[in-house]
Amino acid sequence: AQRVTQPEKLLSVFKGAPVELKCNYSYSGSPELFWYVQYSRQRLQLLLRHISRESIKGFTADLNKGETSFHLKKPFAQEEDSAMYYCALMGRDGGYNKLIFGAGTRLAVHP
Amino acid sequence: GAVVSQHPSWVICKSGTSVKIECRSLDFQATTMFWYRQFPKQSLMLMATSNEGSKATYEQGVEKDKFLINHASLTLSTLTVTSAHPEDSSFYICSARDRRILMNTEAFFGQGTRLTVV
Repeated sequence: AQRVTQPEKLLSVFKGAPVELKCNYSYSGSPELFWYVQYSRQRLQLLLRHISRESIKGFTADLNKGETSFHLKKPFAQEEDSAMYYCALMGRDGGYNKLIFGAGTRLAVHP
Repeated sequence: GAVVSQHPSWVICKSGTSVKIECRSLDFQATTMFWYRQFPKQSLMLMATSNEGSKATYEQGVEKDKFLINHASLTLSTLTVTSAHPEDSSFYICSARDRRILMNTEAFFGQGTRLTVV
C-alpha cells in the first residue's frame, strides 16, 4: 500500500525565513512524487514533481529514497507563499495508477 | 496548462435524491480520472480511479452503488451520488491526466463541487 505523511498541519514563519515542509512516503515500487499547492479559493495546482528536478517560485524538493522523503524547501519565504501544500504520490496498485495525498501543511508567512 | 472543468460548482439537493457531477478535460484527452472527497480542513481522500472505457476502481470503504462513476469518453467523467443523505455533504474534486503521453504524469484538477444535502 502507498502512503504519504505530512507531519505538520501548520508551519508559521516570518517573511525572509527559510521554509521546509516535510513529506515522507511509503511505497514498495519506484514512486512518482509531487507537491501541489492550493491558494485561497483556488483549485489545486502542481508546484513541482521530482522527475523534473526543477525549481518553481524558489521552491525545490529532492527525492531521498534512503529516507523515503520528499521535503519541500525554500530559502526565503514570501508572504505570497502562504497557502496549503500537499505532497502526493502516484503509484501502481492492483494494476492501475492511483494518486494519493498527504494530509497537507498550511504555510503561513507573516510580514 | 491543461484545464479541467467541473460542473456544477455547488449544488444543494434534498435527501433521497441523486446528484450528478461532471468533470471535463477541455484541451486534452483524459485517459485517467481520479475522484476525491475533501472534508473541511482535511486532505483529499481518493474515492476511485477511472480509466476511459473501463469500470472504475474504487478505494476500500467507498460504496460503488452509492457513488456511480462513468468515464464514457476521453473528455468526460461523471460522478453520481445516488440517494444522497446529509452525511454525503462534502467537497468533491476530480482530477485528470493523459497517461498515454510518456512521462506525463501530471494530474490536473477541477475546481471542485460543493454538495450540500438537506
